[in-house]
Amino acid sequence: DTGVSQDPRHKITKRGQNVTFRCDPISEHNRLYWYRQTLGQGPEFLTYFQNEAQLEKSRLLSDRFSAERPKGSFSTLEIQRTEQGDSAMYLCASSLATTPPAFFGQGTRLTVV
Amino acid sequence: GDSVTQMEGPVTLSEEAFLTINCTYTATGYPSLFWYVQYPGEGLQLLLKATKADDKGSNKGFEATYRKETTSFHLEKGSVQVSDSAVYFCALSEAANQGGKLIFGQGTELSVKP
Repeated sequence: DTGVSQDPRHKITKRGQNVTFRCDPISEHNRLYWYRQTLGQGPEFLTYFQNEAQLEKSRLLSDRFSAERPKGSFSTLEIQRTEQGDSAMYLCASSLATTPPAFFGQGTRLTVV
Repeated sequence: GDSVTQMEGPVTLSEEAFLTINCTYTATGYPSLFWYVQYPGEGLQLLLKATKADDKGSNKGFEATYRKETTSFHLEKGSVQVSDSAVYFCALSEAANQGGKLIFGQGTELSVKP
C-alpha cells in the first residue's frame, strides 16, 4: 500500500499523559498536513510542512501540541498533558506543493479518559 | 475568516435518484474549491475541484460548478448508486496554487437505498 499511513489507529490515554502519533506520507510528496476531526464535523486544520519546514500552524492550536518532520519524510504529532477535549480523530494527508491532497490517511482516533 | 457551509444530512435517496448537496462559502479572496468523499472505513479522498469562477469540476459522474456570484459550489449527480453512500465534504483553499490548508464544511452523509 503506497497511500498515507498513520500509526496507531487507536489510542486511549489518561488525562494528563503525553501521546505521539506518526504519519508516513506518499513518498514523493513534499507537503504533509495534520487535521483534527470531531464527530459530526469536518476536518479542522492543525499544521502543515513543506519538506522539513513547518509553514503554518493554526492559531487555535494550543502550545501543548507540537509537530515535527525531521527529515522531510514521516511526521510526528505530540500532544502533551492531554485533556478530554483533545479526544478526536487526528488525520494526516500529503501532497505536492501545487496540488491539494488527494488522499488522507485513515486517522488516529484518540480517546482521553 | 473564510468558511464553508453545507446542507445538513443525512440525505437518503433511492438508487437512480438525482442528488444535490448544497455548499456555500465565504472567502475574502479567490479560493479554489473542492469536494472530498469519505467512504465507510476509508480516509477522505478528493472527488473533484474547481480553481476559478465558472469552472466545472467532474469525476465519477459527480459535478460541481464554481459560482462566484452566489458563492456556491453545489455537488450534483444525475443518478446515484448504492456505492455512492458516503460522507461528502466541501472545502476551500485560500492559496492560489491549491496547496496550503483546507477549510472544510461539516460534511453531509448520503445514504442510497436499493
